[in-house]
Amino acid sequence: KNEVEQSPQNLTAQEGEFITINCSYSVGISALHWLQQHPGGGIVSLFMLSSGKKKHGRLIATINIQEKHSSLHITASHPRDSAVYICAVQWHSGGYQKVTFGTGTKLQVIP
Amino acid sequence: EAQVTQNPRYLITVTGKKLTVTCSQNMNHEYMSWYRQDPGLGLRQIYYSMNVEVTDKGDVPEGYKVSRKEKRNFPLILESPSPNQTSLYFCASSLSQGWIVSGANVLTFGAGSRLTVL
Repeated sequence: KNEVEQSPQNLTAQEGEFITINCSYSVGISALHWLQQHPGGGIVSLFMLSSGKKKHGRLIATINIQEKHSSLHITASHPRDSAVYICAVQWHSGGYQKVTFGTGTKLQVIP
Repeated sequence: EAQVTQNPRYLITVTGKKLTVTCSQNMNHEYMSWYRQDPGLGLRQIYYSMNVEVTDKGDVPEGYKVSRKEKRNFPLILESPSPNQTSLYFCASSLSQGWIVSGANVLTFGAGSRLTVL
């Protein structure tokens, strides 16, 4: 079983601040996903990573395979970034791909 | 528009009354999966399907059934619902199970189905 831990669980930031959300996992993976869950419940895939770094607008995701750790950064945060951010890892078990999700980081950005 | 469609979005039912939550995708995705989301526990995989007629258990399959007779549809069946199945359910699909890691192979989620079992 792959244990996935996210930190912090809750985060409040002022508009414009630089935000970092962390994700650690216990077993080697084939890919890591960052997801965004809006207050209404809908879930959107932000990134899928297997190595290195990806950038999309103000969002940057990095992964360190050796340290089993990924970070999601938000630059110049805005109230519309308020959401729950979920880390999910894909990993092999018994010849199959499994997915394990973190419990999420609830971000609130205050104007 | 490329999407995953779940129905119903909200349902209140009683213990023991069989129900089906439908899931349909229009992206010709091979991989489909069901998850439940509970406070403090995050998303947990119920069942997944790698292709037509190929399904397998996830982490919490007890009390659920699925079928994959067509590529686009992956219904979740609760034969005899119980109150501990009260949850928010999500269906998701992707091009493949993840063996090929590419920018196109991300999970697309449905809008969620909130189920209450009394």
